Amino acid sequence: DQQVKQNSPSLSVQEGRISILNCDYTNSMFDYFLWYKKYPAEGPTFLISISSIKDKNEDGRFTVFLNKSAKHLSLHIVPSQPGDSAVYFCASNTGANSKLTFGKGITLSVRP
Amino acid sequence: DVKVTQSSRYLVKRTGEKVFLECVQDMDHENMFWYRQDPGLGLRLIYFSYDVKMKEKGDIPEGYSVSREKKERFSLILESASTNQTSMYLCASRSRTGQNTEAFFGQGTRLTVV
Repeated sequence: DQQVKQNSPSLSVQEGRISILNCDYTNSMFDYFLWYKKYPAEGPTFLISISSIKDKNEDGRFTVFLNKSAKHLSLHIVPSQPGDSAVYFCASNTGANSKLTFGKGITLSVRP
Repeated sequence: DVKVTQSSRYLVKRTGEKVFLECVQDMDHENMFWYRQDPGLGLRLIYFSYDVKMKEKGDIPEGYSVSREKKERFSLILESASTNQTSMYLCASRSRTGQNTEAFFGQGTRLTVV
């Protein structure tokens, strides 16, 4: 039973445009959400997170939006750059000391 | 900076071999995790440990075991390697402060079982 769903396996956008990566979850006990970026042959690196008590968190070009009623979050990257091309994973947990549950990932390609 | 180090970047092992994947973190984190990444399947949790000598099964523990004798080290053991265990293995650690924090990952071990 997949609790974190990234239903679109890939996304292609033009450099300078906005990238919107979506993530849905089913577990209403999830209270913290994270986005990770992964290049091939490397470990994932943390990008940005959001607590369930907030609906938006911004860090430079990256903004995460959380819609708790829809159990949906999205990562916005503006403007997109070729170096953003990577696999992006959405993850969440049910408490600070619990495991992180990941989605299947979205491959983002930013075209020059 | 937090550092999570996995002992090998690439490994090739034969079917039936016993395989040890080692992971060390230098930030005194209580929680440590082993995931595997496969195309189309994302990151799946194999085992995690929340303290020395403590472990819990993740979503896909079959064919694996773990060892945590010291706080900084978490080992993943493939008892008898099989070709379906060919994968990218990722170790992570996370602080257990009571507040939500990110997990830090190692660089990954690409294991090929032939």
